[in-house]
Amino acid sequence: QVQLVQSGAEVKKPGASVKVSCKVSGYTLNELSMHWVRQAPGKGLEWMGGFDPENGETIYAQRFQGRVTMTEDTSTDTAYMELSSLRSEDTAVFYCATGWGPNGWFDPWGQGTLVTVSS
Amino acid sequence: DIQMTQSPSSLSASVGDRVTITCRASQSISSYLNWYQQKPGKAPKLLIYAASSLQSEVPSRFSGSGSGTDFTLTISSLQPEDFATYYCQQTHSTPPTFGQGTRLEIK
Repeated sequence: QVQLVQSGAEVKKPGASVKVSCKVSGYTLNELSMHWVRQAPGKGLEWMGGFDPENGETIYAQRFQGRVTMTEDTSTDTAYMELSSLRSEDTAVFYCATGWGPNGWFDPWGQGTLVTVSS
Repeated sequence: DIQMTQSPSSLSASVGDRVTITCRASQSISSYLNWYQQKPGKAPKLLIYAASSLQSEVPSRFSGSGSGTDFTLTISSLQPEDFATYYCQQTHSTPPTFGQGTRLEIK
């Protein structure tokens, strides 16, 4: 079964970038569609982007376009999410999650990575 | 984007109660509706996929129903470990969107 292990908590200054990793085990990254979800403190879940297996491309949510980059290193089965131009409102827990099929559910999820943006 | 609206936003119930949470989509999503449970400080956990399919190892007291725009998650007999926040998610269209969550608290 798939297991996802994310990198540790980060503290960043406004304007900086953060890169969060998500290590896959149990499957190879080539076999999976990886997605990233943000959860601000005390708030709900917000999809940031993910791999669309129908067209073979990574799709980003419009509100993150231009600020987020999702990449994969298939040699280490690790997915990455980089968010730039950080602001205080980006303080959140970021999750990676495996999507199943073009209309599929997310399962499992990584344990989450807290990113705190503070001057 | 498809908007997902859950009701209620919060709910108080007792162990042994039967509980129903509703999720409504702003347009038809067929059966592309999933339910997740999230406990404080933890990642969401998939409970129900494709509106009514129970994820492996999820207790049978959880069930899902609905199609089109209206869906429900039912917990037949609440257990202490069920007190958490529940989210619905549509995966009919990109972007996949979540409901705002329903917080289930102990009465």
